[in-house]
Amino acid sequence: SYVLTQPPSVSVAPGQTARITCGGNNIGSKSVHWYQQKPGQAPVLVVYDDSDRPSGIPERFSGSNSGNTATLTISRVEAGDEADYYCQVWDSKNVFGTGTKVTVL
Amino acid sequence: QLQLQESGPGLVKPSETLSLTCTVSGGSISSSSYYWGWIRQPPGKGLEWIGSIYYSGSTYYNPSLKSRVTISVDTSKNQFSLKLSSVTAADTAVYYCASGPGQTTVTTSWGQGTLVTVSS
Repeated sequence: SYVLTQPPSVSVAPGQTARITCGGNNIGSKSVHWYQQKPGQAPVLVVYDDSDRPSGIPERFSGSNSGNTATLTISRVEAGDEADYYCQVWDSKNVFGTGTKVTVL
Repeated sequence: QLQLQESGPGLVKPSETLSLTCTVSGGSISSSSYYWGWIRQPPGKGLEWIGSIYYSGSTYYNPSLKSRVTISVDTSKNQFSLKLSSVTAADTAVYYCASGPGQTTVTTSWGQGTLVTVSS
């Protein structure tokens, strides 16, 4: 079955850039969605179809997808960005990535 | 803006059937504009897709759960439901009902989640 691999954790200082990768076989041929989940809350969609942002999501959140890796980039990181982030694709079923905990130093 | 709210027992005994309902407001369960689905998250772990149902009536289930899962729609109550049979402790999780634009797989609306514990 299709597996999406994310780094367990990413640490970043405020104001810097965080990059979260999502690895999968030929993931560049699929549409990737990204979700942010804060403790005790439901996930929130932050990027869909590789690089589109839902209304209300800051431009600081961007996405790219090519080859075997999709990337969520958070620019000018703020304390409020501290959360778990999950990628998701469809491969005969919905598949979620393993999740990445972003810590703001 | 769609709003989703899960309801159902918070405790289920092993081997029994877990049943949850999601009440939809802000949109019609009969609309082709949306799909309806369930996602779960064991305590301290990641997200696991359970299944989805589309306007056409087509259902898609996680192969690992397919033999035990049923998702259905009740148009008279603007609700959809999840039934998961023969539960074990491994089915203990926060269960989210979810929705997104029809014909897509992205989830744009989530319920707040409900913790279901499987224990005798």
